[in-house]
Amino acid sequence: EAQVTQNPRYLITVTGKKLTVTCSQNMNHEYMSWYRQDPGLGLRQIYYSMNVEVTDKGDVPEGYKVSRKEKRNFPLILESPSPNQTSLYFCASSLGGGPDEQYFGPGTRLTVT
Amino acid sequence: SQQGEEDPQALSIQEGENATMNCSYKTSINNLQWYRQNSGRGLVHLILIRSNEREKHSGRLRVTLDTSKKSSSLLITASRAADTASYFCGTSYGKLTFGQGTILTVHP
Repeated sequence: EAQVTQNPRYLITVTGKKLTVTCSQNMNHEYMSWYRQDPGLGLRQIYYSMNVEVTDKGDVPEGYKVSRKEKRNFPLILESPSPNQTSLYFCASSLGGGPDEQYFGPGTRLTVT
Repeated sequence: SQQGEEDPQALSIQEGENATMNCSYKTSINNLQWYRQNSGRGLVHLILIRSNEREKHSGRLRVTLDTSKKSSSLLITASRAADTASYFCGTSYGKLTFGQGTILTVHP
């Protein structure tokens, strides 16, 4: 089944404790992206990657890191999480090198206390 | 920065009625995409309309795009209770930027 998977789906952590949210797609997609969704603010792009080894900042990259060592994986790293990073996070991928017709993962609900 | 802005913020209709949602944006786009989100789940792509297209259909969905007015509309005909969801427009120009969405409630 074609899908984007994220792990974990739910995470409660404390300020400053490094964490990684994994994202994997099995559709051989070139483009991958991370978004965060907050009430009243909609979805905002954190980082995106047009292909392997190429990543770029979205609208809200502060406090996050990404890497794209393999085509299928695009992990999101929070080196020192803070409470303002409490949010619902989505990974997405699309076939071409751009964000057209993206497939979204199920989301990761992160709480930082 | 948020590009697309949906209107209305919330829409409540009866099953069988049509639902129309609008999206306005500010700068140039390559295409505009509509997505649906069911309560806290991942977004699902519905339809993409390119900047040189004016209208597009997919099943019960009809999307129009007016680049001179920088606006788009999504029409869902003969709505069903299962159409209850949030609908987002995303404007694409290198990257995809979403608005805050329209919450559609369809009452059986």
